[in-house]
Amino acid sequence: EAEVAQSPRYKITEKSQAVAFWCDPISGHATLYWYRQILGQGPELLVQFQDESVVDDSQLPKDRFSAERLKGVDSTLKIQPAELGDSAMYLCASSLGPSTGLNEQFFGPGTRLTVL
Amino acid sequence: AQSVTQPDIHITVSEGASLELRCNYSYGATPYLFWYVQSPGQGLQLLLKYFSGDTLVQGIKGFEAEFKRSQSSFNLRKPSVHWSDAAEYFCAVGAENTPLVFGKGTRLSVIA
Repeated sequence: EAEVAQSPRYKITEKSQAVAFWCDPISGHATLYWYRQILGQGPELLVQFQDESVVDDSQLPKDRFSAERLKGVDSTLKIQPAELGDSAMYLCASSLGPSTGLNEQFFGPGTRLTVL
Repeated sequence: AQSVTQPDIHITVSEGASLELRCNYSYGATPYLFWYVQSPGQGLQLLLKYFSGDTLVQGIKGFEAEFKRSQSSFNLRKPSVHWSDAAEYFCAVGAENTPLVFGKGTRLSVIA
């Protein structure tokens, strides 16, 4: 069964350092999402891609976060510099895309970030 | 504004007992509704979804949910809970090709 892949699964870093997370969506899925989940909360959107284009990054803290999906397939989320408040689970999800009448999002296992 | 409310932060049920997790939503258009389950340190697994049609939807692991438009609710039910159902449950709302808005989750504990 096709799955969304994420790496690393766990990352520990010190504040002010740079970190990067990688996501490989299900093959053929045009839409890719990055969510952040703080402990004890539900996931919240950081950025949505349609192929290689950003559709919604209104909640992305652009002074320190960046995201790209250069070839419209896999994606990288970067934080520089990391702050203590960035400690969270970072979840990637993918879906088939527009004009399908659907919105079934498949989630990867997540990257657990701890900032010391 | 779009929002999802899960009124119960933590529920404890006995194994074999029935379960109902509550979810209320606020959404400007006809919503797509979802229930996801998350085990500790893991990603989200889709239990069931409602897009249109029959308001009673069946999902995996014996779960079902009923969409009630008049009450803006999408409650999750299971007739007999198993110990392996202990996890965090999230209700979410969205539309076609939009980000999902999640509730804060309900943690389910199962006791013998």
